Amino acid sequence: DQQVKQNSPSLSVQEGRISILNCDYTNSMFDYFLWYKKYPAEGPTFLISISSIKDKNEDGRFTVFLNKSAKHLSLHIVPSQPGDSAVYFCAASATGGTSYGKLTFGQGTILTVHP
Amino acid sequence: DAMVIQNPRYQVTQFGKPVTLSCSQTLNHNVMYWYQQKSSQAPKLLFHYYDKDFNNEADTPDNFQSRRPNTSFCFLDIRSPGLGDAAMYLCATSRDRAAETQYFGPGTRLLVL
Repeated sequence: DQQVKQNSPSLSVQEGRISILNCDYTNSMFDYFLWYKKYPAEGPTFLISISSIKDKNEDGRFTVFLNKSAKHLSLHIVPSQPGDSAVYFCAASATGGTSYGKLTFGQGTILTVHP
Repeated sequence: DAMVIQNPRYQVTQFGKPVTLSCSQTLNHNVMYWYQQKSSQAPKLLFHYYDKDFNNEADTPDNFQSRRPNTSFCFLDIRSPGLGDAAMYLCATSRDRAAETQYFGPGTRLLVL
């Protein structure tokens, strides 16, 4: 039972353009969402998070949007840079229930930004 | 710099030979986690410590155990590694459990021969 899904295994974008990475979840108890970036042979690096009381959070070039009714979140990177090329993981946690304090990860999306 | 450190970065062991992976943190976080990640898959939580309170995931094999002797250190013990245990093992920490960001170490790549 995959509670967090990233349906696009890969995304290719031109430098300077917008990258949009998508994530869907099924567990209505999830109320905290995060995006991580991972380079090969390294651990995931935290990028940005959003609480379910918000629908948008912005940090520099990175913006996360949350649509609770659709159980969908997205990460926008503007403008995209070649150094953004990595695997991006969406993750979710809950402040109650069996997912309390645990991160459930999506499968990841490989982003490639071409110069 | 405050950080999560994992040693070694690469570990080779033999089938059935016990192996221990270590994690330390300078963030003074209450919670420490161990994840297993296999190629092209999402990280999978094995267990976590909330302070000294150990929490095992229901589907974590008995072959995997953990120790947290103090706030800063946490160990993953694999008693009898099988070929299927070859993976990247990630340690993470968070200040608390609820609505908190987890910070990851660089991981230990385990190879079982």
